[in-house]
Amino acid sequence: DQQVKQNSPSLSVQEGRISILNCDYTNSMFDYFLWYKKYPAEGPTFLISISSIKDKNEDGRFTVFLNKSAKHLSLHIVPSQPGDSAVYFCAAPGTGNQFYFGTGTSLTVIP
Amino acid sequence: KAGVTQTPRYLIKTRGQQVTLSCSPISGHRSVSWYQQTPGQGLQFLFEYFSETQRNKGNFPGRFSGRQFSNSRSEMNVSTLELGDSALYLCASSLVSRHTGELFFGEGSRLTVL
Repeated sequence: DQQVKQNSPSLSVQEGRISILNCDYTNSMFDYFLWYKKYPAEGPTFLISISSIKDKNEDGRFTVFLNKSAKHLSLHIVPSQPGDSAVYFCAAPGTGNQFYFGTGTSLTVIP
Repeated sequence: KAGVTQTPRYLIKTRGQQVTLSCSPISGHRSVSWYQQTPGQGLQFLFEYFSETQRNKGNFPGRFSGRQFSNSRSEMNVSTLELGDSALYLCASSLVSRHTGELFFGEGSRLTVL
């Protein structure tokens, strides 16, 4: 029972263009969302978060948008750089430090 | 400041054996969580420990267990290994057990069960 879903396993984007990674969730009680980035042979690292009281949060080249009515969030990376090539996971909190993670989207930025 | 350290990084076991994985959190972090990552399944929550107490457990069979020591280091154990237990096991630490807290992950222990 996947409460957080990432339906695109992979995405390829040209360097300098926008990358848009999508995430859907089923539980309307989620009040906080996070994005993590994972390089091969490394653990995931926190990228950006958003509270459900907001519909947008920006940090440099990274912006997360939240559409509560659609139960959908997206991560925009502008401009995309080759170093952004990684697997991106969206996550939502359960109890304590239990998080529900999506299955990840592997982003490849082509130079 | 040192990050989350997991040992061993790689290990190979056979079906029926058991395995113990270790995690040393960032100094001062009292919450340690464990996740299993398999292809196509993302990260699945195993359990969380805070101040030596298990606070939460995911939907895994009783073969998966864990503990936390007084210095916040944590171990997880998997008994009677099955082929499907092959995965990357990730440990994450956090200052507190509060879901708005950021998780800091280790590099993981990759378990292969033959």
